Amino acid sequence: KNQVEQSPQSLIILEGKNCTLQCNYTVSPFSNLRWYKQDTGRGPVSLTIMTFSENTKSNGRYTATLDADTKQSSLHITASQLSDSASYICVVSARTGTASKLTFGTGTRLQVTL
Amino acid sequence: GAVVSQHPSRVICKSGTSVKIECRSLDFQATTMFWYRQFPKQSLMLMATSNEGSKATYEQGVEKDKFLINHASLTLSTLTVTSAHPEDSSFYICSARVYLTGTDTQYFGPGTRLTVL
Repeated sequence: KNQVEQSPQSLIILEGKNCTLQCNYTVSPFSNLRWYKQDTGRGPVSLTIMTFSENTKSNGRYTATLDADTKQSSLHITASQLSDSASYICVVSARTGTASKLTFGTGTRLQVTL
Repeated sequence: GAVVSQHPSRVICKSGTSVKIECRSLDFQATTMFWYRQFPKQSLMLMATSNEGSKATYEQGVEKDKFLINHASLTLSTLTVTSAHPEDSSFYICSARVYLTGTDTQYFGPGTRLTVL
């Protein structure tokens, strides 16, 4: 069964600090891995996408890493801002023919405080 | 990037009534759209896959007669919650699939908060 696990479940950090969120997956056949940011009451917004051959991808203050051998990914947020407070969801795509099926992690709730 | 809209963003209805939620791809055509449901502090759960011009494919445990899906055009899919009950209260999110450089990507709508009294 395809699964995506994220840790920690929740995290509180001070503004300006860095943090790293973790994602472990067992999805086959692996196609790609995405990190999404979901603000409360809003739909998910894509931050990064990585395929099997990519091991790092940056989007501003967000840097995602992927280790396809250990099936782990991380999302590092640098110099956090209050607006970073949101849920961060790791989504792994499995290729099924011409389409793909997504498996969602349960997310990490990040709260950035003053 | 591709934009997906949903309408309404919030709806409150009485138990027993039906509610229709629209999902539109604004600047692209989508032959496939997806409907998700999200309960508080939980991740998105796929309810059904909506294919333009054909019947939707429902995930196990999702009642197709309760959650009616219509994908009548390449830019519009609708989800109708029939005879809604309080347990149907949830956050409903749609997404539209786009094929880009050999990879298919889903763009998500902003979600619809349904509250059934």
